Formats: sequence, structure tokens, C-alpha cells
Amino acid sequence: EPEVTQTPSHQVTQMGQEVILRCVPISNHLYFYWYRQILGQKVEFLVSFYNNEISEKSEIFDDQFSVERPDGSNFTLKIRSTKLEDSAMYFCASSERDIYNEQFFGPGTRLTVL
Amino acid sequence: DAKTTQPPSMDCAEGRAANLPCNHSTISGNEYVYWYRQIHSQGPQYIIHGLKNNETNEMASLIITEDRKSSTLILPHATLRDTAVYYCIVRSKAAGNKLTFGGGTRVLVKP
Repeated sequence: EPEVTQTPSHQVTQMGQEVILRCVPISNHLYFYWYRQILGQKVEFLVSFYNNEISEKSEIFDDQFSVERPDGSNFTLKIRSTKLEDSAMYFCASSERDIYNEQFFGPGTRLTVL
Repeated sequence: DAKTTQPPSMDCAEGRAANLPCNHSTISGNEYVYWYRQIHSQGPQYIIHGLKNNETNEMASLIITEDRKSSTLILPHATLRDTAVYYCIVRSKAAGNKLTFGGGTRVLVKP
């Protein structure tokens, strides 16, 4: 069964450093998402991406964040200058279509900012 | 999106049916009910969704009341692997593609 994959599974970085989290969505999917979950808190939407542009973003997704689909398979989330409060699980998801279509989530990347 | 209310936790016995309630009394006519679950910090997993008719798939059944103000997710034969947080989410086209997760119900399946 096709699945969303994410690398790395765990990333440790120093405050102020840039990190790139990588995702490979399911191959025939056209819509891509990033969510995050701070330890013990709810899963929060960050951004959705379609046709090589951001279609929706939350208030969390400020200028420190960016997303990119550099080739036909990868979907990345970059945090330019990490803060302690960016420590969280980051989940990538993809869906075949938009509204009313199920989203398939990856296993997540645990980001720890020291 | 309509707000949902779920019990924070519930236990069920292995092999028995688990019935997970969700209230969404402010749901509007074009909003769907979705269920996802999250097993111990893994990525959320889609279970099922519906508009007004009852739905069944290989994982679960979804029963939506006639007035659509509440729904029940049924896991017909709960296993230990079904221990997870279950999220009831109401989605409308106007709200875009994002999923808005609440606190969910923490389900513990006991042997």
C-alpha cells in the first residue's frame, strides 16, 4: 500500500539554525500539507500546497517557514531560524484531491531545538 | 467548521464493539463528518467519513443521526492495536482543505 514517508525521523538542532524537513507524498497525490504537534498538544495545521503554490496557511506559518516541491517527488518544509518553541512533531500529509478527500499522513519528524 | 464535542477518554474490552460518540450540534448542511485516529504520536490515520447516510468500511462504521447533530464511530471488534486517540472532525468546503483537530477521545482497549 502506498504511503507518505518523511525524513529524518528525528532532527536535533541548535536555536537559530535552519532545518529542512523532507517528505515524499503518495505518487499520484496532488495536494500536500504540513501539520505540527507540540508534545501533549493538539495537531495543528500549518500549510497546504497545490500546483506549486501555497493554497492556505495558518497564523503559525510565518516568514520563518517556507515550503517547496523541488522535484516531482519531494515536498519540503524549511524553518529558517529555529526557536525553542518550534520543537514538535511535524507531519506531512497528501491527498489525491482537495475538499472531502482523505489526507494520508506520514510518520512524522520529531524536531528538537536546543 | 462546526465545533465538535467528544468525551476525553473511554475504555473498552478487547473483542467487543467500541462506540465512540461525537456531538456536532451546529453542523450545517454541507459539512461532512470525518474520523481520524492517532496511535501513540504516529501520524493521524483516516478512518471514515460521511455526510448524512451511515457508512461502513473495513475499519469501522459511522452512524450519523437523522438531524446530523451527532454521530457514532463503531469499531466492531476492538483489538489492542485500536488503542489510540480518535478525532471527530467536521469539514466544510468554505473552511478549505485543512483538518482542524480537537482534543479527541483517548480510547484504551483492555484485554
